[in-house]
Amino acid sequence: NAGVTQTPKFRVLKTGQSMTLLCAQDMNHEYMYWYRQDPGMGLRLIHYSVGEGTTAKGEVPDGYNVSRLKKQNFLLGLESAAPSQTSVYFCATWTGELYEQYFGPGTRLTVT
Amino acid sequence: KQEVTQIPAALSVPEGENLVLNCSFTDSAIYNLQWFRQDPGKGLTSLLLIQSSQREQTSGRLNASLDKSSGRSTLYIAASQPGDSATYLCAVKAAGNKLTFGGGTRVLVKP
Repeated sequence: NAGVTQTPKFRVLKTGQSMTLLCAQDMNHEYMYWYRQDPGMGLRLIHYSVGEGTTAKGEVPDGYNVSRLKKQNFLLGLESAAPSQTSVYFCATWTGELYEQYFGPGTRLTVT
Repeated sequence: KQEVTQIPAALSVPEGENLVLNCSFTDSAIYNLQWFRQDPGKGLTSLLLIQSSQREQTSGRLNASLDKSSGRSTLYIAASQPGDSATYLCAVKAAGNKLTFGGGTRVLVKP
């Protein structure tokens, strides 16, 4: 039971390059989330999904796209990376109101 | 819009002292409040989850209280140890299935 895993753990991109971050969960949770964490800004929600095939915008969605083709996977895409997207990205899952959110270990992305 | 504040942003205490971490939120219509621990360069580890109907939750040396009407939660860590050094974050879940995080309190426990 791996919980929530994120791939890759680290990545360096040049401005304008694209990449996809993968979040995978084996807990059968309906809800999945992508956050970014920046110094002095806390964690901010980028996009989230309330079930397979659904996605919704969070607080800071610009410059990102997401897909939830399978229940266990939630992908975060950067089509044209910018230095402002340098951050640590966390994926989280949730099963319902009475329960807690579970977080992955994070992906550290640097855009030069 | 829900706003979550944690004061102080940083805290340093000698080993053995009790820790008191504060979290305040602006909208009392919440489902629950969650406290997390984050070690440098690591992900978030859930410490305690308090439902909106509860006043407190306890786990070992940790105790979290919730006062919805005043928009406050407090995390108490008894008899602090150097291993408790980390950043502690609180987050509230309200309508819309989303968490709103505070900025965190960075704790240093000196031996």
